[in-house]
Parts: sequence; C-alpha cells; structure tokens
Amino acid sequence: QSVLTQPPSVSGAPGQRVTISCTGSSSNIGAGYNVHWYQQLPGTAPKLLIYGNINRPSGVPDRFSGSKSGTSASLAITGLQAEDEADYYCQSYDSSLSGSVFGGGTKLTVL
Amino acid sequence: QLLESGGGLVQPGGSLRLSCAASGFTFSSYAMSWVRQAPGKGLEWVSAISNSGGTTYYADSVKGRFTISRDNSNNTLYLQGNSVRGEDTAVYYCAKVSGWHSVSWYSQEWGQGTLVTVSS
Repeated sequence: QSVLTQPPSVSGAPGQRVTISCTGSSSNIGAGYNVHWYQQLPGTAPKLLIYGNINRPSGVPDRFSGSKSGTSASLAITGLQAEDEADYYCQSYDSSLSGSVFGGGTKLTVL
Repeated sequence: QLLESGGGLVQPGGSLRLSCAASGFTFSSYAMSWVRQAPGKGLEWVSAISNSGGTTYYADSVKGRFTISRDNSNNTLYLQGNSVRGEDTAVYYCAKVSGWHSVSWYSQEWGQGTLVTVSS
C-alpha cells in the first residue's frame, strides 16, 4: 500500500469536472509538506501538473487546479478533454520515512 | 535534458549501475533523484541526492542495497544497486529536483527512463 491514498480510477464525460483525492497522514500532508501532481500518459515519463499544492508550471492549462486541506489534497480537472485520459499521481514528503512518497495513482477515463 | 542508460537484464543477486547524463542546465546547482515504475504499477520514489552529493536519501525498499552518487564535473548521476531482486524490475527514471531546501521535492524535468529486468 502507498503512504498516500488515491482512488484507483475516476471517470467523466467530455466537458465535465472531476476531482482526484490524495489522502495522507500527520507525517506527510498533515505535517504541512507540499503536495505535487503529475500526469502520465502510457509509455511516457511523468509530467508535472501542479507543484506546491496550487501552482501550475508554465504551459499547464488552467483547467487543472490543486488544493490542500488537513491531511488531504485534491486535483481538479474542469472541461474534461479526451487527451486528459491518463494516470495521475500525487507526491509529498514524509518525515517518518525521511523521503518522498507517491500516491498509488489514479486512472482517469474520459467517457 | 536527462538521458538514462545502463538498463538491461540482471540476474537475481547481481548488480546494476545506471547513469543519467544531464545537459541544458547547471547540473551542480540541483538535487537529483531516481524514481522507478514496475510494469503496470505506479511510481515509486527510490533515492535523492543533494546538489553537492553530500546528502543522500533512500526508500526503505532499497536502503542498504542501492547507492546514489553524482559526478558534477561530468554532469552525471548514478544509481548502483546490489543484491537485486525480482521486485527491482522497473523502468528507472532520473529527475531534476526542485524545492530541495524547503523539503518540497518535485520534478519538472525527467529522463525517458531505462528498463531494468531482474530475472534468471
């Protein structure tokens, strides 16, 4: 099991809004460590979507947004498009493990 | 740009040595990390090293078996793994780390990955 818990899958129709949750604990997200989000298309390296909980790198559409509260974080995607179909991962730091941790990943299906 | 090499077939109990050649940025100014992904599975953080090489971190799954190092004069990152097991089979990515000093490690730049298969 991953230290950060994500739903295995989410789905939505084109144009809809979906959210992906990332639940941690008092040694990672709850301790105040930042959460980052990645998108991974099949056979490719991960792509940074959100860093520092809410920040988008240049070139990432504003359809993608991040939030954090307590021991959890969320990635929201609005105006779903077919090309958003991918795996999504959250990442944070864990003080008990003295290292970075990833969520188990969430597969987004665009219906 | 980050370019990994050194992947291939390794026998159980054997060793692996991966390299990651960096270009296009001041390598000695950035911490670096290795992240792996077993076939059909999620991302797993493996190890990280400070920009000077003086500080290293490891996931429990590889601690004591893997060693991360770097050569700033040659802009190259390394991962040495000993006593490898089947569960070490994965695509290994090297990544440039941002947010090192604030313990907010994230990576905007990744290599294309190199596949290591541990099998007899």
